[in-house]
Amino acid sequence: GQQLNQSPQSMFIQEGEDVSMNCTSSSIFNTWLWYKQEPGEGPVLLIALYKAGELTSNGRLTAQFGITRKDSFLNISASIPSDVGIYFCAGPQNNFNKFYFGSGTKLNVKP
Amino acid sequence: DAMVIQNPRYQVTQFGKPVTLSCSQTLNHNVMYWYQQKSSQAPKLLFHYYDKDFNNEADTPDNFQSRRPNTSFCFLDIRSPGLGDAAMYLCATRDREGEQYFGPGTRLTVT
Repeated sequence: GQQLNQSPQSMFIQEGEDVSMNCTSSSIFNTWLWYKQEPGEGPVLLIALYKAGELTSNGRLTAQFGITRKDSFLNISASIPSDVGIYFCAGPQNNFNKFYFGSGTKLNVKP
Repeated sequence: DAMVIQNPRYQVTQFGKPVTLSCSQTLNHNVMYWYQQKSSQAPKLLFHYYDKDFNNEADTPDNFQSRRPNTSFCFLDIRSPGLGDAAMYLCATRDREGEQYFGPGTRLTVT
């Protein structure tokens, strides 16, 4: 099946640092989604991207849809302790009924 | 607020004792999903409904069944839970733009 390769697997950073993570695929996606999941909770949608080259922000978060449509990245600026969690990228199958997920990036922020 | 609701948040069942997890949504989305998620891994799709059309993943064990009596409600039945079925179970819906929204999850413990 389809695979999304997400990196890095985990990050340990100091509060105030910027963070970048990315997702790549061997196939083209028409939509990229970025989620954050906190312990014991369901994933929460952060940003949705619909067009190649699109750059979208949500507060301190910025995500881009790669021009090749095979990759996406998520940046978090000036990280704070509440940014801690696992970040997943996801992309839908062509009919949008099935979603493929990256393996997640676990973010740890030291105050 | 429109949302995806899962009950209960925590469920304990005994080995082999049938258990049902519930999901409801006020988003009026016609696609609903059940995922299984184990310790910091990506969610694994079990099945999804497009309206009343049921779509089972090829590797979903027969032990897992689902019902969707109407647009708002969806149930996951585990007929004979084993220790390996202990996990977080996530319900999700999808809107017309292709964005997927998750509930808070039900943490299942099998004793």
